[in-house]
This record gives sequence, structure tokens and C-alpha cells, in this order.
Amino acid sequence: NAGVTQTPKFQVLKTGQSMTLQCAQDMNHNSMYWYRQDPGMGLRLIYYSASEGTTDKGEVPNGYNVSRLNKREFSLRLESAAPSQTSVYFCATLRGGEANAQHFGDGTRLSIL
Amino acid sequence: LAKTTQPISMDSYEGQEVNITCSHNNIATNDYITWYQQFPSQGPRFIIQGYKTKVTNEVASLFIPADRKSSTLSLPRVSLSDTAVYYCLVGINYGQNFVFGPGTRLSVLP
Repeated sequence: NAGVTQTPKFQVLKTGQSMTLQCAQDMNHNSMYWYRQDPGMGLRLIYYSASEGTTDKGEVPNGYNVSRLNKREFSLRLESAAPSQTSVYFCATLRGGEANAQHFGDGTRLSIL
Repeated sequence: LAKTTQPISMDSYEGQEVNITCSHNNIATNDYITWYQQFPSQGPRFIIQGYKTKVTNEVASLFIPADRKSSTLSLPRVSLSDTAVYYCLVGINYGQNFVFGPGTRLSVLP
């Protein structure tokens, strides 16, 4: 039972390259989220998906696209990477309802040169 | 979305009780209060969640006054391993645009 799995764990890109970050969950949760965390900062929401087939912008969506492929998978794509997108990216899921909270993956550390 | 305010940092010593207060003046009727803990190089981890009064689990206690405009996370007898960043979030807990603030950086000293 892996929970939330993010791939890759590390990646180095050159400016202008594209890349897709993958997130998969085996908890049958409805909602999924993508956050970025810059050094010494809190998490900022990029996009989220309340349920399969829906996606919405968060606080910092510019430069990113997402796909909720099915209930299990939520991918984040950088079409043309920029150095300002160097960050740690976290995927999270949420079942919803009382006494419930987000479950986070271990993160993808992305450096853009 | 209810905005939250927490102290940026706190210091404590091993064995002491630590209380971290979060202000959320515009909390909505259906909002829950959730606290997370984050260690370096890891994703946040759920600690405790509550709606009103007091909630206790094996890790912490959460105190919520009647007006629900603030909440206090209480960590009993902290150890060095409790050094982390603690985040307070407020929301309806379903498919919502959750906003993490900068959190409270707790340093536990020997």
C-alpha cells in the first residue's frame, strides 16, 4: 500500500525543456492537488482536482498544465521550463469528509538551469 | 477561504509542553481546523483535526474556543524529533482550494 507515489524524485532540466511530473494514489481518494514549495517557504497550490474529470487553478498556475487522467493519476506538466520553476513539487490527495486530511507524496525536486 | 495567522517561529526545550496558536477570524460555519507537521525534505504529515472544543490523539491536543476564531495545537513533552514546521489550515475538507501559510518553525533544543 504505497499511498501517494510521485515520479521522478529528482530531475534537472534546461530552460525551455518540457517535462511531466507524475502522481498516482492507491487510496481511492476523490481530490488531488499539486503544490510547489520554495526554500524556506510554505506550500503554494498550483492546481487541484476535486474529482475525476475536473481541474481548477490554484494560487500559482501560470506555466503549468494538469491532467486528471483517471481517479488514481494526476499529472503536472511544464511546457517550457524556466529557472523560476526550480522548486520541490508535492502531490496530495484528500478523501473528503469529517476527520480527514490531505496525504502527501515525498516530493519531486526539480532544478532548472 | 479563511486566512490563518501563526507565529513564524518558536523555541522550546526537550520535555516542555509547546502550544502553538493559530488565528482564523473569518472561519466559516462548515470549516474544520487541521494541523500538519513537515520535516525537511518531506511532505507535510497530518497531526490532528477538529471542529470545536477539544480533540486529543496520541500525538497532540487541539483546543478550539467556542467562537472558533482561533485554535491551539498542544504538543506534550516535546523531544528533539519534534523540530519541524507546523501548519494550520482551515477549510471544508472536500475538494477545496487549501492555502498553506508560512507555518510555525519549531526548534526544540536539548
